[in-house]
Amino acid sequence: DIVMTQTPLSLSVTPGQPASISCKSSQSLLHSDGKTYLYWYLQKPGQSPQLLIYEVSSRFSGVSDRFSGSGSGTDFTLKISRVEAEDVGVYYCMQGTHLPHTFGQGTKLEIK
Amino acid sequence: QVQLVQSGAEVKKPGASVKVSCEASGYTFTSCGISWVRQAPGQGLEWMGWISPYNGNTNYAQKLQGRVTMTIDTSTSTAYMELRSLRSDDTAVYYCARDGGGYEPWGQGTLVTVSS
Repeated sequence: DIVMTQTPLSLSVTPGQPASISCKSSQSLLHSDGKTYLYWYLQKPGQSPQLLIYEVSSRFSGVSDRFSGSGSGTDFTLKISRVEAEDVGVYYCMQGTHLPHTFGQGTKLEIK
Repeated sequence: QVQLVQSGAEVKKPGASVKVSCEASGYTFTSCGISWVRQAPGQGLEWMGWISPYNGNTNYAQKLQGRVTMTIDTSTSTAYMELRSLRSDDTAVYYCARDGGGYEPWGQGTLVTVSS
């Protein structure tokens, strides 16, 4: 199975400041079809996860442009340009290139 | 709007089975797969498997092979996940999610508690 490793596991950020989460996979996530199936989800407290970013860098409909994804191969990053109070929760990366799909451990974002 | 509504919480004894339903609305049910993900208390997300509502094809996580079955009823746009021989470490919130290139939306989750 592909192992997804997120760093850091927790993050405390002042509103208005940027935040960055790294996600590294144990194997390349480049699929034979040329796409890279790396996703980012946010699970807000008490809620189901919600999709933020698909295929490394595409923002899902309705997601704020403060969120951006980048990377390739085995190294990926989620950036929040200016953290707001509504961004608190746990962020997960997930790979969908190889079966079984696998998630990172999660990164908990809190507001200072 | 696209929505997945899951069945209610369950309490089961070790060794029993549970069947969770996931009713889809707001889109063509057979156009996207349904994935199942679980989350043990205070833990992260664990992929359980996937089913195609189009042809019933499935793919299960290796660790659950032999204990899990995912099925579809296209007449009611409902997906089902049955887990057998329950153990205490199966206690978790179980989610279904539409898989159309990213999981979205997710159901509200179904808490399954396994306790004697």
